[in-house]
Amino acid sequence: GDSVTQMEGPVTLSEEAFLTINCTYTATGYPSLFWYVQYPGEGLQLLLKATKADDKGSNKGFEATYRKETTSFHLEKGSVQVSDSAVYFCALMKTSGSRLTFGEGTQLTVNP
Amino acid sequence: DVKVTQSSRYLVKRTGEKVFLECVQDMDHENMFWYRQDPGLGLRLIYFSYDVKMKEKGDIPEGYSVSREKKERFSLILESASTNQTSMYLCASSPASNRATEAFFGQGTRLTVV
Repeated sequence: GDSVTQMEGPVTLSEEAFLTINCTYTATGYPSLFWYVQYPGEGLQLLLKATKADDKGSNKGFEATYRKETTSFHLEKGSVQVSDSAVYFCALMKTSGSRLTFGEGTQLTVNP
Repeated sequence: DVKVTQSSRYLVKRTGEKVFLECVQDMDHENMFWYRQDPGLGLRLIYFSYDVKMKEKGDIPEGYSVSREKKERFSLILESASTNQTSMYLCASSPASNRATEAFFGQGTRLTVV
């Protein structure tokens, strides 16, 4: 079945450091890929998405590129802020349905 | 502003109780979902619904049931709560589409079964 694997966490960085959170997936066909973020005490909210190979999703300084050859969708940000501290989830959605399959989540803590 | 509202933020229930978790969305979405969130396991789909009175099992339906009598409301039912159902429960909704669309999430209900 479909699955999403994220890098093991948690991740702790200093402010202004470069962030990469790895995400790889297993799925048949051509899924759409998402990154969701969960701030403390809140539900998930969409951070960015990409619907086809080589698409780049971007939002709030975060970017991720849909790499079909490596089945990956790694999340990057050039300079993190304390306010980016949250749990980040990679997810996929098959084109034939609307359910999301999530990775394990990665806790990011950014220290001043 | 789109909104998915879960009736409780925190619940404490006793083993064996019947528990109802309620979710309401105001976006006229066709699809609604219940997930549970556990550390190290991410979100796992319990049940989902594509239409009123329709329901489909997700990946971990055992011990749960659902009800969708109205389009805006999707209820998760724990028939006889057990301690291994202590978790964070998240409701989500999304519009029907043949393309990938964003799902909107509620704030979650943290359920503790004692």
